[in-house]
Amino acid sequence: KNQVEQSPQSLIILEGKNCTLQCNYTVSPFSNLRWYKQDTGRGPVSLTIMTFSENTKSNGRYTATLDADTKQSSLHITASQLSDSASYICVVSAGGNNRLAFGKGNQVVVIP
Amino acid sequence: ETGVTQTPRHLVMGMTNKKSLKCEQHLGHNAMYWYKQSAKKPLELMFVYNFKEQTENNSVPSRFSPECPNSSHLFLHLHTLQPEDSALYLCASSQDRGSPNEQFFGPGTRLTVL
Repeated sequence: KNQVEQSPQSLIILEGKNCTLQCNYTVSPFSNLRWYKQDTGRGPVSLTIMTFSENTKSNGRYTATLDADTKQSSLHITASQLSDSASYICVVSAGGNNRLAFGKGNQVVVIP
Repeated sequence: ETGVTQTPRHLVMGMTNKKSLKCEQHLGHNAMYWYKQSAKKPLELMFVYNFKEQTENNSVPSRFSPECPNSSHLFLHLHTLQPEDSALYLCASSQDRGSPNEQFFGPGTRLTVL
């Protein structure tokens, strides 16, 4: 079983609407959690990083939350734009050697 | 040229061919990584190099052979691949192997094995 589970696997949203992506993890010991955005045909790019003590982190219209007790994170996209169409990957780092556990990604398609 | 670059961006090869993937980072980093990304599967770590030394081989078949001549360059030599090796191969780099150093990814090489 994968240590990082993301839901929904894919979703389609109308331009201008909001959406929330979920990430549950079992990685231990926890070091930090990142959300990456991967455009089609490109490599992943980091959006946010959160450590154990951080509950929320924003990057423009992207807001990530972390509940380290329940081992859950979410990524909220506000007022979606066509350029938000991408795969959003939850990545959890364990321990001190930067070993990363990747989710399969949430595939988001924004339509006009 | 900035960031992490990869060449070629697309590669089609037969099972008997030999080819190489190239990665170059212009960030002054000391750690470099090869990942395999298959459809609907999480990224799979293949190899890790830290200060030019291979520190991790994640049970990768010997038909994949990495080479790291210096901290800026990383190669993945391919020979006698199988169709199931078709995937997006991503290179990444970070300051070093420690956490929480961000890994910066290249655009990937889309590999198709016929």
